[in-house]
Amino acid sequence: GNSVTQMEGPVTLSEEAFLTINCTYTATGYPSLFWYVQYPGEGLQLLLKATKADDKGSNKGFEATYRKETTSFHLEKGSVQVSDSAVYFCALSEGSQGNLIFGKGTKLSVKP
Amino acid sequence: DAGITQSPRHKVTETGTPVTLRCHQTENHRYMYWYRQDPGHGLRLIHYSYGVKDTDKGEVSDGYSVSRSKTEDFLLTLESATSSQTSVYFCAISTSGLGTEAFFGQGTRLTVV
Repeated sequence: GNSVTQMEGPVTLSEEAFLTINCTYTATGYPSLFWYVQYPGEGLQLLLKATKADDKGSNKGFEATYRKETTSFHLEKGSVQVSDSAVYFCALSEGSQGNLIFGKGTKLSVKP
Repeated sequence: DAGITQSPRHKVTETGTPVTLRCHQTENHRYMYWYRQDPGHGLRLIHYSYGVKDTDKGEVSDGYSVSRSKTEDFLLTLESATSSQTSVYFCAISTSGLGTEAFFGQGTRLTVV
């Protein structure tokens, strides 16, 4: 079945450091790929998405490219801020119902 | 913010009692979902709805039932709560399903003692 694997962390970085969170997926067809972010005590919110191979999603300085050949959707940011501290979830959606399959989440802590 | 309200936000209940969680939306979105979030598991789909009275099972549906009698309301019922159902429950909504963004509620923290 479909699945998502992401590095579990926790990840601790200093402010202005470079961030990479790895995400790979297994799917039978051509899924849409997402990164969601969860701030403490809140629900999830969409950070970025890509719906087909080679698409790059970007938002708030974060980027991820849909790589079909490596079945990956790694999240990157060139310079993290303390306010980026959160849990990040990689997810995929396949089929018309929009059901999401999530990775286990990666907790990011950014220190000043 | 998308108009999604979950109630209650926190609940403690005893093993064997029935529990109903409510998700209310003001966005008129067709699709509604219930997920549970547990440490080490991320979020997993319990049930979803693709219209009034149209529902289907997700990955972890055992012990749960749902109902959707109006577009705006999606109820999740634990018929007889067990300690393994202690979790944080999230409702989500989306417009067309395929490749579209899902908007999440604030979550309900349920503790079964």
